[in-house]
Amino acid sequence: DGGITQSPKYLFRKEGQNVTLSCEQNLNHDAMYWYRQDPGQGLRLIYYSQIVNDFQKGDIAEGYSVSREKKESFPLTVTSAQKNPTAFYLCASSSGRSWDEQFFGPGTRLTVL
Amino acid sequence: KQEVTQIPAALSVPEGENLVLNCSFTDSAIYNLQWFRQDPGKGLTSLLLIQSSQREQTSGRLNASLDKSSGRSTLYIAASQPGDSATYLCAVPNSGGSNYKLTFGKGTLLTVNP
Repeated sequence: DGGITQSPKYLFRKEGQNVTLSCEQNLNHDAMYWYRQDPGQGLRLIYYSQIVNDFQKGDIAEGYSVSREKKESFPLTVTSAQKNPTAFYLCASSSGRSWDEQFFGPGTRLTVL
Repeated sequence: KQEVTQIPAALSVPEGENLVLNCSFTDSAIYNLQWFRQDPGKGLTSLLLIQSSQREQTSGRLNASLDKSSGRSTLYIAASQPGDSATYLCAVPNSGGSNYKLTFGKGTLLTVNP
């Protein structure tokens, strides 16, 4: 089945720890995205990548880092510098053409203990 | 800066009713508009993508319209069912027309009562 997988589904982090969220797609998409979703707010873009070995900051990149070493994978690291990391994190991908849909993974819920 | 507003924030209807969800955006220079569905604790499911050259797009009981000049889109759901209960989100590309960066509305929480 083609699609986007995210792991883990639930993640707990202690204060001061870095954690990495996984996102993998087998849709052969060039573009990948990370969003954050908080209750009562719309989705906000953290980082996006239009092609392998390239990525750009979104609207709320502070405290996060990414890499894009493979077309299929776009991991997100939530660093200790992110002051309020508890949220629902969604990964998405698209072909990268401006007229194409974005498809989303099932999400990872991160909770800071 | 693109802003997206969805009205109403929540809607409760009896099963079988036809309903309309609204989405408005401030910058009409868009390539397309996308409607999504989100179930509690889940990711987003793409429902419909309307290109800027289209006025309507249909999928089953769903029909989405787009009026770029007025900055509005509507999602029409016919003969609603309890399984339609979810949050519905619309999203448009940011100003400049790039599909790389979407701006989302906060969504409409739909409850269809049996």
